[in-house]
Amino acid sequence: ETGVTQSPTHLIKTRGQQVTLRCSSQSGHNTVSWYQQALGQGPQFIFQYYREEENGRGNFPPRFSGLQFPNYSSELNVNALELDDSALYLCASRDRDKETQYFGPGTRLLVL
Amino acid sequence: KQEVTQIPAALSVPEGENLVLNCSFTDSAIYNLQWFRQDPGKGLTSLLLIQSSQREQTSGRLNASLDKSSGRSTLYIAASQPGDSATYLCAVSPGTYKYIFGTGTRLKVLA
Repeated sequence: ETGVTQSPTHLIKTRGQQVTLRCSSQSGHNTVSWYQQALGQGPQFIFQYYREEENGRGNFPPRFSGLQFPNYSSELNVNALELDDSALYLCASRDRDKETQYFGPGTRLLVL
Repeated sequence: KQEVTQIPAALSVPEGENLVLNCSFTDSAIYNLQWFRQDPGKGLTSLLLIQSSQREQTSGRLNASLDKSSGRSTLYIAASQPGDSATYLCAVSPGTYKYIFGTGTRLKVLA
């Protein structure tokens, strides 16, 4: 157990809908990253938040957005869902001064 | 653009065998490299982290090496056990805020 939790565990949406995924970071961790992992692939970096500000973004369109809250929990929002958004979404938290990231169990999103 | 490749894509070995998983990356300007384990449908567990200035790290039956100049890392698993069956992912960090992952090696250890 890493202490990082994600909700929901599974989700089914249809094309064009919007979705919000949630992550609760490990206690004391002020940095959270989100990754998308398609089936059979390695995780792809979406973005990172530090103290409620986005401070790094991967090659994902603006319809992928996020929030980090004062208690360091965070959300990933995806608008106008597409079939290719079907994936496992992972969040990872860490103390900014330390290297090791702790991953949550992920949310599996299926877009029909 | 940094690319991470892992070979082999899948591996099946009998219990007790020592094995080596390979990871290569195209840009040697990395901050660190991590090896992760992922069980089916689950999140990632960090196994070993090697800073760019280090050559290797060890934890129990696991040993990871890093040769930055040649763009290679290996994960050595000694005396493999069925519980080691999982996908092993290598990831490099070009800076402090993201990791670039390989596609992983699916390992099956047969009892």
